[in-house]
Amino acid sequence: QSALTQPRSVSGSPGQSVTISCAGTSSDVGGYNYVSWYQQHPGKAPQPMIYDVSKRPSGVPDRFSGSKSGNTASLTISGLQAEDEADYYCCSYAGTTYPYVFGTGTKVTVL
Amino acid sequence: QVQLVQSGAEVKKPGASVKVSCKASGYTLTTFLIHWVRQAPGQGLEWMGVINPGGGSTKYAQKFQGRVTMTRDTSTNTVYMELSSLRSEDTAVYYCAREKGGAAPAKNFDYWGQGTLVTVSS
Repeated sequence: QSALTQPRSVSGSPGQSVTISCAGTSSDVGGYNYVSWYQQHPGKAPQPMIYDVSKRPSGVPDRFSGSKSGNTASLTISGLQAEDEADYYCCSYAGTTYPYVFGTGTKVTVL
Repeated sequence: QVQLVQSGAEVKKPGASVKVSCKASGYTLTTFLIHWVRQAPGQGLEWMGVINPGGGSTKYAQKFQGRVTMTRDTSTNTVYMELSSLRSEDTAVYYCAREKGGAAPAKNFDYWGQGTLVTVSS
């Protein structure tokens, strides 16, 4: 099971929007509407930001949105804020044999 | 409130085993699956496996088959992950994470433990 492919880094100025891609295959991202996204600050545990491709858990700002097209999922952060600077990981369900695969991770830098 | 509290950091020699615990509180242990995810220094997240605390069934990533064992003690609301035949590449932070179980599992992780650093060094 290969990791999903994410850009190593993206950056933006406060108030701008950034989009992180998460490329998989028809066996994972493309095959199920079960993509989730996690934010991780240095030295901290991951925190859920998006689940089921585009749903936000309670308490997550609506600046965070998710989508999917074919085998690629995306996370968009609108109105970028300093506290959004962190690593972001996508994760996809991939069936009963090898259930979960994570992305390679993307570092978001707020300029 | 929901909490997953993990055991403390461990230092092990190559070839040894390590057992990490994850104590759940604030919810009924048997209604949620518990996954284990690890993160090597400076690296990404890697899914290791899952245990259903209700019945004890497990599923492990192929990479860890034969080396990992996940168990649970429902009397103490604690789940365990044991990794054997440790090598330097197993140095990582190990996380437990919760997934809503039942007839329609959630397919995402809504709460995570704080992580346990396991260092493998001679």
